[in-house]
Amino acid sequence: DTGVSQDPRHKITKRGQNVTFRCDPISEHNRLYWYRQTLGQGPEFLTYFQNEAQLEKSRLLSDRFSAERPKGSFSTLEIQRTEQGDSAMYLCASSLARWGSTDTQYFGPGTRLTVL
Amino acid sequence: DAKTTQPPSMDCAEGRAANLPCNHSTISGNEYVYWYRQIHSQGPQYIIHGLKNNETNEMASLIITEDRKSSTLILPHATLRDTAVYYCIVRNSGYALNFGKGTSLLVTP
Repeated sequence: DTGVSQDPRHKITKRGQNVTFRCDPISEHNRLYWYRQTLGQGPEFLTYFQNEAQLEKSRLLSDRFSAERPKGSFSTLEIQRTEQGDSAMYLCASSLARWGSTDTQYFGPGTRLTVL
Repeated sequence: DAKTTQPPSMDCAEGRAANLPCNHSTISGNEYVYWYRQIHSQGPQYIIHGLKNNETNEMASLIITEDRKSSTLILPHATLRDTAVYYCIVRNSGYALNFGKGTSLLVTP
């Protein structure tokens, strides 16, 4: 069973450019989560999907951030008009959620974004 | 979700047991205790979770006190590769994991 994969692993961009990250969850996992981690801090939740439905997005950091999971499989996170403060590790996790029980999230390796 | 308190750092000699404490005095009855760790520049790695009973898997043991207000993660024979930041997270059936700052464990030769 392959784990969560993320692409690219590293991204360097100039301020004002748009960037898109991809996450491929563990096969058959119905939930997919995005987190952001800045230096010295723990990961911070951004948004999540149950299948293709985005069920929570109020914690996306600004309207420059958006995420999609069009067919309920892979997901993309886009940041428009990047700022230097967006420099961070962006983490994706997936889980298999079943009614009435807790789901365990498994994380990918992350995409490290550097905005110059 | 209940708040957790962990020591910022701990040391452990290689080969000895590492006991990482976590306080979660406001935990409610339906909240699970999860442990993750993060080795430098990698994604968090799931270790173990529990509700009321003690749990053991191939990586670690989780001891939860009877009143559920605290827990201890035990790595029975720590190796250098166990050097990482360890996060104790209390979670109900909600979606997000609320990571704090965790405990930075240093395993020394």
